[in-house]
Amino acid sequence: NAGVTQTPKFQVLKTGQSMTLQCAQDMNHEYMSWYRQDPGMGLRLIHYSVGAGITDQGEVPNGYNVSRSTTEDFPLRLLSAAPSQTSVYFCASRLGEAKNIQYFGAGTRLSVL
Amino acid sequence: GENVEQHPSTLSVQEGDSAVIKCTYSDSASNYFPWYKQELGKRPQLIIDIRSNVGEKKDQRIAVTLNKTAKHFSLHITETQPEDSAVYFCAAPNFGNEKLTFGTGTRLTIIP
Repeated sequence: NAGVTQTPKFQVLKTGQSMTLQCAQDMNHEYMSWYRQDPGMGLRLIHYSVGAGITDQGEVPNGYNVSRSTTEDFPLRLLSAAPSQTSVYFCASRLGEAKNIQYFGAGTRLSVL
Repeated sequence: GENVEQHPSTLSVQEGDSAVIKCTYSDSASNYFPWYKQELGKRPQLIIDIRSNVGEKKDQRIAVTLNKTAKHFSLHITETQPEDSAVYFCAAPNFGNEKLTFGTGTRLTIIP
């Protein structure tokens, strides 16, 4: 099993550009989440999904869209990148509700100029 | 929603000494408390967790204690080693156990 796979690992964008961060898992996990990690602020939840076709907002959803058309994939879209979105983004998945182990991808380091 | 506070934000200990990191949570319905370790440039990984029906759990040099009345839980690392240097995050569930809320992290440095 590859686990949780994120692409790309690094990305530089200009303000106003759009892009999609890819996340895929091969563990047949129902729950998937996107977090951003900024210095001193821990891991903040952007969006999450409890199954295919179901998504919901987390703590910091503004400027991001998600969709969950399959169990395996959970892409994160930046609609119009802003410097405030410079961060490290982690995708995570787990089998079910919060008491199950959550596995993280390797992260995407995004810089918006 | 759940509010998780973590202290201290940085901690330096001499190799061989013990380290303790504490978290408090706000939702009395929370029943699962994991701890994640993140080495420099790597992804967070689960190192230990505890459920609300027990007060303490140990795994070799790592232990977690839970005080439900006071709504706090702590990570204890004994006989610290250089490879324990990392950022540690606590977390607690909210919103019907769908979401995990993380603390802001503790950067632990082990001094040789």
